Amino acid sequence: SYELTQPPSVSVSPGQTASVSCSGDKLGDKFVSWYQQKPGQSPLLVIYLDNRRPPGIPERFTASNSGNTATLTIFGTQAMDEAAYYCQAWDSSTGVFGGGTQLTVL
Amino acid sequence: QVQLQESGPGLVKPSQTLSLTCTVSGGSIRYGTYYWNWIRQPAGKGPEWIGRIYTNGSANYNPSLKSSVTISVDTSKNQFSLMLTSMTAADAAVYYCARESTYGYQSGSGYFDCWGQGTLVTVSS
Repeated sequence: SYELTQPPSVSVSPGQTASVSCSGDKLGDKFVSWYQQKPGQSPLLVIYLDNRRPPGIPERFTASNSGNTATLTIFGTQAMDEAAYYCQAWDSSTGVFGGGTQLTVL
Repeated sequence: QVQLQESGPGLVKPSQTLSLTCTVSGGSIRYGTYYWNWIRQPAGKGPEWIGRIYTNGSANYNPSLKSSVTISVDTSKNQFSLMLTSMTAADAAVYYCARESTYGYQSGSGYFDCWGQGTLVTVSS
C-alpha cells in the first residue's frame, strides 16, 4: 500500500519560516493536500492541488510538490499556527494520509 | 455554507456493527461534483481514510477495511451513512464525515474542504 512519511515534529521560532515535508514514491505525480488540526478540532484544509490556498487561509501558507517530496512552508510563523499538519494524496482511488507533523512555535 | 453533522452511538460492543449517519445541511448532496467521505482518527494518531461515495451510489473503500465497510447514500434525506462490521478495540476513534471536492473530473484531484465535527466511538463491552 502507498505510504506518506512526515517528520513527527518541527519546531520554529515566532516570525521564522517553518517547513514540513511529506515524502512518498513519485509523489510529484500526484496532487497533495495539507490539513491543519488543532487539539479538539476537525482538520482544516490549508492547501489543495499541491499549492492552492482555500479562501480565508493566510498567504503565509505555501506549498510545493516535486519528485518524491511535497513541502508545506509557513512564512512568518505565528503562535496560532501551532498545530498538527497532515499531508494527503490519492493512490488508485484510495485516500492516504501522512502520519502528521506537530509544529511547535517557541 | 454547507455543514456536515455525524450522528450515531458513541459506544459499541466488540463484534457488533457500527452505524453512523452524516447529515448535510446548507446544500443538496445531489448536486455538484462532490464525493462524500468517511475518515477516522484514533486517539493521538493521524487520520485514516475509510471510504467515499458519489451520489450515483458508486463507492470506493480503503482496501484494509473493504471487507468490513459499507457506505450508502440517501439523497432524499440529504444523508450518507457508514456501516462497519465486527468492531474491535482497534476501531475506536473519532469518526468524521467530509465532503471531497475535485478539480473537474480529474482522478486523484480530490481534497476535503468541509468536515463534520466528528463523533467519538468507543468499543467496549
